[in-house]
Amino acid sequence: AQSVTQPDIHITVSEGASLELRCNYSYGATPYLFWYVQSPGQGLQLLLKYFSGDTLVQGIKGFEAEFKRSQSSFNLRKPSVHWSDAAEYFCAVGYGGSQGNLIFGKGTKLSVKP
Amino acid sequence: GAVVSQHPSRVICKSGTSVKIECRSLDFQATTMFWYRQFPKQSLMLMATSNEGSKATYEQGVEKDKFLINHASLTLSTLTVTSAHPEDSSFYICSASWASTNEQFFGPGTRLTVL
Repeated sequence: AQSVTQPDIHITVSEGASLELRCNYSYGATPYLFWYVQSPGQGLQLLLKYFSGDTLVQGIKGFEAEFKRSQSSFNLRKPSVHWSDAAEYFCAVGYGGSQGNLIFGKGTKLSVKP
Repeated sequence: GAVVSQHPSRVICKSGTSVKIECRSLDFQATTMFWYRQFPKQSLMLMATSNEGSKATYEQGVEKDKFLINHASLTLSTLTVTSAHPEDSSFYICSASWASTNEQFFGPGTRLTVL
């Protein structure tokens, strides 16, 4: 069965430090992979997505993610974190054809200290 | 492009009443809409998938008689929580997609509080 694992429930980084949020997936075919960010009380905003091609994808707000098939991973990175990046981050894998069915990880809460 | 709205953004109701939440795709025709529920500090849980003009497909454990979903047009889906109880209090998020796309576009969510 398909699944998404985000091993880190809560991460705290200092402003200006680099960030990596981990995501591992289980899926039999080539996955469609997504990272979303959610601020408190808000909906989801798409940061970036991977469908095919270059395994390093660039997203909004300076985020990037790398798809590593051998490790079944799609980790999110940012070289320098800003205080406004504090939020909940969800990794998701798409499956089931062209209608975009998604499975979400449990999320990683990012706190940024000054 | 690909904007999805939800209305209302926040609703408070009394136990036993019904509440309707609207989800609209503003600039595209949504052949499929999804309804999610999110408890505090948890991930999104898919409740149901609806295709325009047909009955919704509910996930296991979701009561279809309690959570009525209608997708009568290509730009509007509604979720009605019938006979709401305090345990139905949650954050409800809809999303929409169209044929041949591989992603969903999310609405801003609706906070339901049942007193």
